[in-house]
Amino acid sequence: GENVEQHPSTLSVQEGDSAVIKCTYSDSASNYFPWYKQELGKRPQLIIDIRSNVGEKKDQRIAVTLNKTAKHFSLHITETQPEDSAVYFCAASSGAQKLVFGQGTRLTINP
Amino acid sequence: ETGVTQTPRHLVMGMTNKKSLKCEQHLGHNAMYWYKQSAKKPLELMFVYSLEERVENNSVPSRFSPECPNSSHLFLHLHTLQPEDSALYLCASSLGTAQETQYFGPGTRLLVL
Repeated sequence: GENVEQHPSTLSVQEGDSAVIKCTYSDSASNYFPWYKQELGKRPQLIIDIRSNVGEKKDQRIAVTLNKTAKHFSLHITETQPEDSAVYFCAASSGAQKLVFGQGTRLTINP
Repeated sequence: ETGVTQTPRHLVMGMTNKKSLKCEQHLGHNAMYWYKQSAKKPLELMFVYSLEERVENNSVPSRFSPECPNSSHLFLHLHTLQPEDSALYLCASSLGTAQETQYFGPGTRLLVL
């Protein structure tokens, strides 16, 4: 089955700097890759997703890149702000109902 | 934030108790999910229901028993749980099943004594 590895487990950046979180997956049939943000004490919420027919997708300060050959995808957050502090989860799906999640990255933005 | 609701939000139970978690979605979705979220572990998928039929059972112990009476409601019946079952139990729903955005509920924080 699918296995998703996420790194780093914790990340601390200065406000205004960029943050990058990386995920690798094992199932070459996976073709849908969402990213979820979970603030402390709150539910996970989708922030961006990418499908395998594109290599990059951007939404304001957030971008996701996908390298299907290498089976890895990354989340990029630019001009970080305190409200970006949260746990971020990547996930991969091969078309069935099942999303396999990474272990999560705790991002802390230092003022 | 009110699209997927869960009750109770917090639950403390003994190992011999029987309790149920409830999830309700008001989004007109056809698929519903139960996840377990433990500290320092990824979100673990437990069960998937599509149009009230269970389509995924991720090797979950039988002390967890799901029920989906209709596409808007999902239950997780708990009995003879173990302390290691203490976790946040999240319900989610999606419009279809494959590669759709999943919307999560607020979760039930469960403590088994």
